[in-house]
Amino acid sequence: AQSVTQLGSHVSVSEGALVLLRCNYSSSVPPYLFWYVQYPNQGLQLLLKYTTGATLVKGINGFEAEFKKSETSFHLTKPSAHMSDAAEYFCAVNTPNSGGSNYKLTFGKGTLLTVNP
Amino acid sequence: DTEVTQTPKHLVMGMTNKKSLKCEQHMGHRAMYWYKQKAKKPPELMFVYSYEKLSINESVPSRFSPECPNSSLLNLHLHALQPEDSALYLCASSQDLGYGYTFGSGTRLTVV
Repeated sequence: AQSVTQLGSHVSVSEGALVLLRCNYSSSVPPYLFWYVQYPNQGLQLLLKYTTGATLVKGINGFEAEFKKSETSFHLTKPSAHMSDAAEYFCAVNTPNSGGSNYKLTFGKGTLLTVNP
Repeated sequence: DTEVTQTPKHLVMGMTNKKSLKCEQHMGHRAMYWYKQKAKKPPELMFVYSYEKLSINESVPSRFSPECPNSSLLNLHLHALQPEDSALYLCASSQDLGYGYTFGSGTRLTVV
């Protein structure tokens, strides 16, 4: 079975500060990992994804994440926060090649990012 | 076209009404999904269609009835809903089961 834990339901940073949103996963086989962002009253937008290959993944809006197998982590970072980054962020995992229904996307509980001026 | 389009964006319905939500994608994706999202919670999977056939029903009440008329279109028919069914309903698609999901912007449903 696969699972995702997002540490911190709410993260607050100042504008221009580093953004770090934590995500740890559990999977018995190599996972596919995703970060989605959700702005108020909108759907989910894919920020970035890791499937195979390079472990440092760059996404939209200046975000990046690093897959660390030894730490079972996929933390999301951005060097300098903007006011427009304020949103809910979801980490998700699936294992589409492992059979059964593991292609289903399993979400973490989400982290609300607020950016202070 | 790299989008999943959902209509309507907002819907208010009474408990005795029948309504439908529509989802459309033209990316050639063969898997489509319905999710339900309550406030401040992650999305919860409701249904999965793969190659136009229902693959998964996550024990969803029969007052929700999905339909996949063709590979580009996914409907969710609603009948006799309860106020607790009020939520954001999200449609998603992927090239095949799993891999990257593209989500629509959702339908905000209010049951009165």
